[in-house]
Amino acid sequence: GAVVSQHPSWVICKSGTSVKIECRSLDFQATTMFWYRQFPKQSLMLMATSNEGSKATYEQGVEKDKFLINHASLTLSTLTVTSAHPEDSSFYICSALTSSSTDTQYFGPGTRLTVL
Amino acid sequence: GNSVTQMEGPVTLSEEAFLTINCTYTATGYPSLFWYVQYPGEGLQLLLKATKADDKGSNKGFEATYRKETTSFHLEKGSVQVSDSAVYFCALNYGGATNKLIFGTGTLLAVQP
Repeated sequence: GAVVSQHPSWVICKSGTSVKIECRSLDFQATTMFWYRQFPKQSLMLMATSNEGSKATYEQGVEKDKFLINHASLTLSTLTVTSAHPEDSSFYICSALTSSSTDTQYFGPGTRLTVL
Repeated sequence: GNSVTQMEGPVTLSEEAFLTINCTYTATGYPSLFWYVQYPGEGLQLLLKATKADDKGSNKGFEATYRKETTSFHLEKGSVQVSDSAVYFCALNYGGATNKLIFGTGTLLAVQP
């Protein structure tokens, strides 16, 4: 149980284009999902907390207009990187909370974004 | 503020060796403590957790004990395998309204045959 998927697993795009990454909870409903960014050989940096039906809460220093988050249903949150630039290249990972274990986050497999 | 400190890697061991990865934390109150594992090119998997002092989390031969007196949550395994090679992250979380995971920097474990 508590399986989280991400799509796509990797994406390559041109500078200036937008990319959407999906995060789905497959066997549970997730009222809260999180988006992280991970640079090579580094720890995870929390970007934002996504609550179903409401606006995401962004961490300090994260541009909300650049990283658009939508949590339209209890099983899906999306992260859209708008007008992507090479410095946005990174590994993006989402996680979700289950209602039964509100302190434990279950992580997706991650999405590797490369902006040319 | 709240923080998690892990021993720096990489940790290189031979197969069947004993593993310890140290983790200490700074926090007010009583957070839950976690170990996550990340295999190359993948997301994080929950390895084990402990929610209160003296609790021992265990999974797949790994274990860690929540030590409030030393603010530690060291990860141990009696006999490592090549397949255990990965990055291990220690983390804490208060849950509730804030519910943010605070991660250590991660420790790379390389197990050689």
